[in-house]
Amino acid sequence: DQQVKQNSPSLSVQEGRISILNCDYTNSMFDYFLWYKKYPAEGPTFLISISSIKDKNEDGRFTVFLNKSAKHLSLHIVPSQPGDSAVYFCAASAKGGSEKLVFGKGTKLTVNP
Amino acid sequence: KAGVTQTPRYLIKTRGQQVTLSCSPISGHRSVSWYQQTPGQGLQFLFEYFSETQRNKGNFPGRFSGRQFSNSRSEMNVSTLELGDSALYLCASSLPRGWSETYEQYFGPGTRLTVT
Repeated sequence: DQQVKQNSPSLSVQEGRISILNCDYTNSMFDYFLWYKKYPAEGPTFLISISSIKDKNEDGRFTVFLNKSAKHLSLHIVPSQPGDSAVYFCAASAKGGSEKLVFGKGTKLTVNP
Repeated sequence: KAGVTQTPRYLIKTRGQQVTLSCSPISGHRSVSWYQQTPGQGLQFLFEYFSETQRNKGNFPGRFSGRQFSNSRSEMNVSTLELGDSALYLCASSLPRGWSETYEQYFGPGTRLTVT
């Protein structure tokens, strides 16, 4: 049972435009969400996180939106740059005293010059 | 501040052997988690340690084990290696949830294990 889903395996956008990556979750115990960027054969790089007490968090070109009622979050990258091309993972953490993250399968973003 | 370090970066082992991987967390981080990444299963949680105690374990066989030392460094061990254990093994460190206003978990570069 996949508790965190990223339904788009890939996304292609033009440089300078907005990239929107989506993530859905099913477990209502999840209360913290993180986004990572990953290149092949490297560890994930932390981008941005959001607590369930918020509905938006911004950091530079990256903004994460959380819709708790829909159990949906999205990562917006504006403006997109060719260096943003990578696989993006959404991860969720549940309250309860453990640091376990549950990951989605990832979305491969390609930003075309 | 130095990031999460993992050694070795690459390993080739034969079926039936055992392997030990090492992880040094970010200075000040006391929680260390381990994940396995494979093309088919994605990133899967193995286990998590805090203050030398395993607090959570994923759905992996008992051949996978770990430990944490008093300086927060961690090791994971896989015994009786199988071909399916070939994967990228990732270590992540963090402050425990609730210890700071935000929560972030940082990953090391990983150890690429190939079992032949």
